[in-house]
Amino acid sequence: EVQLVESGGGLVQPGGSLRLSCAASGFTFSSYSMNWVRQAPGKGLEWIAYISSSATVIYYADSVKGRFTISRDNAKNSLYLQMNSLRDEDTAVYSCARGFGAAGTSIDYWGQGTLVSVSS
Amino acid sequence: QTVVTQEPSLTVSPGGTVTLTCASSTGAVTSGHYPNWFQQKPGQPPRSLIYNINNRHSWTPARFSGSFLGGKAALTLSGVQPEDEAEYYCLLYFGGVLLKVFGGGTKLTVL
Repeated sequence: EVQLVESGGGLVQPGGSLRLSCAASGFTFSSYSMNWVRQAPGKGLEWIAYISSSATVIYYADSVKGRFTISRDNAKNSLYLQMNSLRDEDTAVYSCARGFGAAGTSIDYWGQGTLVSVSS
Repeated sequence: QTVVTQEPSLTVSPGGTVTLTCASSTGAVTSGHYPNWFQQKPGQPPRSLIYNINNRHSWTPARFSGSFLGGKAALTLSGVQPEDEAEYYCLLYFGGVLLKVFGGGTKLTVL
């Protein structure tokens, strides 16, 4: 059974940093691309970052480019999101989602998400 | 800025048919956008329904189908069930600029 479990969320002050993790199990992690998607309270889904299976292709939404860094450790079956210079508008539930298909263009499995609250 | 637009809300009667659409601000949606569709119910993570235009996942009921309609990606629900009441999101891939964008979501009410 495919499982994606996020952790690392919490309350952080504006300008602060946080590192999210996503532990994957039930599939060959190193064979799949991964995404981070967030959802602000009461709002829609926002895709924010993508990393290919071998980390050779990485790209970001403009809203987080230069502040967030996606990475992975295939030996540990883990995906990460380093978030710096956090802003109030980064408050959201952050979910990891497995990519598949041509250039990882599709998503199949999702984690439950971890809540990040940015507030002073 | 690339914007993906969906109908904010739609209402359908049980047993009826409804089509949701997904438009791109850059022009017609094509196979190169690899449209995906997701369903989300309150308090739950999204569930993937359709990938690459019209392919169902193994868990997706046959009453959900994907297509193109008038330059947009479309999700059609046939024989709507009460449990289909949810928010539906499309996702488009923009390969030229390496970007993925979700639509704003369509709140589907079954009434």
